[in-house]
Amino acid sequence: AQKITQTQPGMFAQEKEAVTLDCTYDTSDPSYGLFWYKQPSSGEMIFLIYQGSYDQQNATEGRYSLNFQKARKSANLVISASQLGDSAMYFCAMREGGSGTYKYIFGTGTRLKVLA
Amino acid sequence: SQTIHQWPATLVQPVGSPLSLECTVEGTSNPNLYWYRQAAGRGLQLLFYSVGIGQISSEVPQNLSASRPQDRQFILSSKKLLLSDSGFYLCAWNRGRETQYFGPGTRLLVL
Repeated sequence: AQKITQTQPGMFAQEKEAVTLDCTYDTSDPSYGLFWYKQPSSGEMIFLIYQGSYDQQNATEGRYSLNFQKARKSANLVISASQLGDSAMYFCAMREGGSGTYKYIFGTGTRLKVLA
Repeated sequence: SQTIHQWPATLVQPVGSPLSLECTVEGTSNPNLYWYRQAAGRGLQLLFYSVGIGQISSEVPQNLSASRPQDRQFILSSKKLLLSDSGFYLCAWNRGRETQYFGPGTRLLVL
């Protein structure tokens, strides 16, 4: 069963508007971490934001915020005031378990194109 | 600060030839190290991870192998490449439960 689901293979956004990239996950472990990465055309994977399962508040990093809805098992990425440079692939990932667990599972990604 | 290197950046190899991709990390000690493969337009598939020298865990049975001869060195190898081995290979590191940091990747094309 797929543990990380990104239902939007591709999407467009208008420059300066906010955009939400969807991510749902599936785990029975109470301790887990959720991550978002950006992959531009160069191929490098750039870490954007992290949310721990026990974190009380949604994570924010500059223009990025993570809309964490634990009961719904969703961890959507919100990019405020999108820029042309935000055009890239975006991957949601999850790390299950506490200490001693090192495996990360990635979704299939969403390709975002920001239009001028 | 920590830096992760991968080489070569690009590689074109014939089917049946051997493979050796190298990954090294600077600026940290005892990192967890990972090898991922990304097929064109797809997500990341975890191939191997290592929590210490000589300790390798394999996630997907295939004709690839990994080794960790030194604390900050992780090598991905194959004795005979298949066409299906083509892809983008990414090395990553982390400490404990924190986020992973990725190298620049190696694009492998098997012909």
